[in-house]
Amino acid sequence: DAKTTQPPSMDCAEGRAANLPCNHSTISGNEYVYWYRQIHSQGPQYIIHGLKNNETNEMASLIITEDRKSSTLILPHATLRDTAVYYCIVKGYGGSQGNLIFGKGTKLSVKP
Amino acid sequence: NAGVMQNPRHLVRRRGQEARLRCSPMKGHSHVYWYRQLPEEGLKFMVYLQKENIIDESGMPKERFSAEFPKEGPSILRIQQVVRGDSAAYFCASSPGQGSGANVLTFGAGSRLTVL
Repeated sequence: DAKTTQPPSMDCAEGRAANLPCNHSTISGNEYVYWYRQIHSQGPQYIIHGLKNNETNEMASLIITEDRKSSTLILPHATLRDTAVYYCIVKGYGGSQGNLIFGKGTKLSVKP
Repeated sequence: NAGVMQNPRHLVRRRGQEARLRCSPMKGHSHVYWYRQLPEEGLKFMVYLQKENIIDESGMPKERFSAEFPKEGPSILRIQQVVRGDSAAYFCASSPGQGSGANVLTFGAGSRLTVL
């Protein structure tokens, strides 16, 4: 599974868009980009995933560059409840499914 | 849909006792995963099970830890002869199975084990 690199921390003002970057320069053709988050002491929560097209759901948008070497998770209107550690994970399916490597992630602090 | 249910939420054991953690997956999910999170550390994969089968146990410690997912009932993570280093949050997750959705995991709230 490809390695990912994320900034350790970011701040965002409440109501503004939070843009969380992730580098995955060694991603291979059949690997997806997944985003999860963990609010303090809670179980991780799935946010969104994509292969090469941009994706949007009720929680967030995922923008993947054309070469697929990096992506950005966008929370369009961050709230205080979005304060969490955000994990970018690259993984193919089949084989060792579910064996997700949660790195250190980005600690997002949404401030009033 | 009640989601992934874990119990107990908190468990206190003395060194040498056994800990049993239970996990009921989301309705319709037949794939269960266990993760461990040590204090101030990241989540680590332990084991992946389908009904009555262990598919991947590459993250399980070789001794004292075992997991099962019987045909009927919840998945059980069992830790024998607990030591202080086993104190952690244990998270269970489930997924619907194949394709890209295989890695879309729904996590429970976790079971926090404290070993005295």
